[in-house]
Parts: sequence; C-alpha cells; structure tokens
Amino acid sequence: DAKTTQPTSMDCAEGRAANLPCNHSTISGNEYVYWYRQIHSQGPQYIIHGLKNNETNEMASLIITEDRKSSTLILPHATLRDTAVYYCIVRAGGTSYGKLTFGQGTILTVHP
Amino acid sequence: EAEVAQSPRYKITEKSQAVAFWCDPISGHATLYWYRQILGQGPELLVQFQDESVVDDSQLPKDRFSAERLKGVDSTLKIQPAELGDSAMYLCASSYSGDSYGYTFGSGTRLTVV
Repeated sequence: DAKTTQPTSMDCAEGRAANLPCNHSTISGNEYVYWYRQIHSQGPQYIIHGLKNNETNEMASLIITEDRKSSTLILPHATLRDTAVYYCIVRAGGTSYGKLTFGQGTILTVHP
Repeated sequence: EAEVAQSPRYKITEKSQAVAFWCDPISGHATLYWYRQILGQGPELLVQFQDESVVDDSQLPKDRFSAERLKGVDSTLKIQPAELGDSAMYLCASSYSGDSYGYTFGSGTRLTVV
C-alpha cells in the first residue's frame, strides 16, 4: 500500500472548518483513500473514503486532487469533540484482504 | 449500531505471566483483525483472519503471541510469557469480505505489564 504524509499537528477554532491535508504521491490506480480518527483511549473510527471523486457524508467531506496525489479531509464546523488523531490511509480496494496500514496521523486540537 | 466487543477493557499482568484477550466481531463479518497500538504511535496489524483461517500474521511475534478464531466467529489473542515491552492497547476490528467501508474497531484492551 502507498505511504502517506500528514502534518504532525494542527489547531482549529471551534465552529470553523478544519482542513486536514494528506500527501499520497505514490498512490496506485486501485487504491482508495481512507480517513479514520481516534479519540483518546478509544478505537479508531471510520470517517470517509474515496477513489477519485470528492465525497461527502454526515461527518466530513473528502477532496481528492485530480492527479490523486493528495487529498484534504474537511470537517465543516469543528467542535471540541472533534479533537482527535486523524489518520489518512491508502488501501487497495475491491478485496477483502486489503489491510489498513496506519501512520502517525495528525493530532487535531479544536480550541474554544 | 452494531459494535465489536472486546474484553477485558484493562489488564495488568506481571512479566512472564500469560494473558489473553477476547474479541467478538460484528455478526456476519468474515474478516477479523488484531492490532497493537503503542502509546503515541498508530495501530500496527498483528494478525488478520478470513473466517477461521489466518490470512496475514507476518507481524505477529510467534514465539510468544498466538491467535485463534476456531469457529470463524469470536477470537482470542494470547501472550505467553508477557514482557514489559508488550504494554500497549490491543485493538480488534472486523469487516465484511470485500467491504469498501473499511473496518469497525472495538474499544480495545489496555495491557500493562509490570
């Protein structure tokens, strides 16, 4: 699976949009971009995933560049409960054996 | 909402003792994973099951760790003997075969070896 690069930490004001970048310049054509987050002392939680089109769900939006070498996770109105470690992962799709390989992630701190 | 159940939530054990963790995946999920997460790091895959068969255990320290999923449902991860460096969070996750939505994780077992 392709490797990802994320900033170590980011800050965001409550109520503002949080934009978390991820670089995955070696992504291959069958690899999806997944985002998970982990709140302290809990297991990781699925947020969103995409292949090449932008995606939106009730939690977040995922913007993938046209060349697919980078993406941005957008939390439109961050709250204090969004403070967590956010992991960007690329994973081969279409198979049950495509494992998730976690990196260090981005520590997002939302301030009042 | 369906959850992945893990027990115990916390475990303290002495070095050289045996310890076991249990995981009950979401009903119908054929694929089960055990991850280990050392404080300050991302989770690391230890073993992956498809039904009762091991698909990937390349990162499992087989001299002291063992995992089984005998009936293809719940699973047990064992460490014998435990070492101080095994102190970590042990996470279980499950997914449908070919599920593009990724995994559902349990809350984990926090192991402290003293």
